[in-house]
Amino acid sequence: EVQLVESGGGLVQPGGSLRLSCAASGFTFSWYWMSWVRQAPGKGLEWVAHIEEDGGEKYYLDSVKGRFTISRDNAKNSLYLQMNSLSADDTAVYYCATGRAHLEYWGQGTLVTVSS
Amino acid sequence: DIVMTQSPDSLTVSLGERATINCKSSQSVLYSSDSKNYLGWYQQKPGQPPKLIIRWASSRESGVPDRFSGSGSGTDFTLTISSLQAEDVAVYYCQQYYSTPLTFGGGTKVEIK
Repeated sequence: EVQLVESGGGLVQPGGSLRLSCAASGFTFSWYWMSWVRQAPGKGLEWVAHIEEDGGEKYYLDSVKGRFTISRDNAKNSLYLQMNSLSADDTAVYYCATGRAHLEYWGQGTLVTVSS
Repeated sequence: DIVMTQSPDSLTVSLGERATINCKSSQSVLYSSDSKNYLGWYQQKPGQPPKLIIRWASSRESGVPDRFSGSGSGTDFTLTISSLQAEDVAVYYCQQYYSTPLTFGGGTKVEIK
């Protein structure tokens, strides 16, 4: 059974940093592109970034470029999102998901709240 | 960026009746080299992550009831629930994966009348 478990969310002050993790199991992680998608409270879905199977190619939403870094460790079956210079606009539930096209499997998400 | 526009924003339908959700993209998501529409549909129930229910505009995912169907091509797409059941109450999103950034429609909330 495919499982994606996000962690690392929490309350952070504006300008602060946070590192999210996504632990994957039940599939061959190194064979898949992986994505981060976020959802602000009561709002719709917004793709944030995705990363190639071997970590070579990475793509970002313009509004997070230069602040967020997506990475992965295939030996640990883990996906990461380093988030710097956070603002209130980044407050959301962050989901990891498999794929770079249709997103087949999703985790339960981790909540990031940016507030003073 | 490709803008995805869904209509209506919300829909109230009686049990057993048809629900129809529309999705329009600001440019075609039909890829000429493989003749596939790069569009998916997701269902999100309260407190849960989204669930992919249709890929390539019309291919239903394994385990998704056949009352769900997707249609359309190019820039205009439709998700139809042929006979609404109580468990179908959710927000539905379309998403294009023709180009980066991946973009989603604003969502359509489906409720029971």
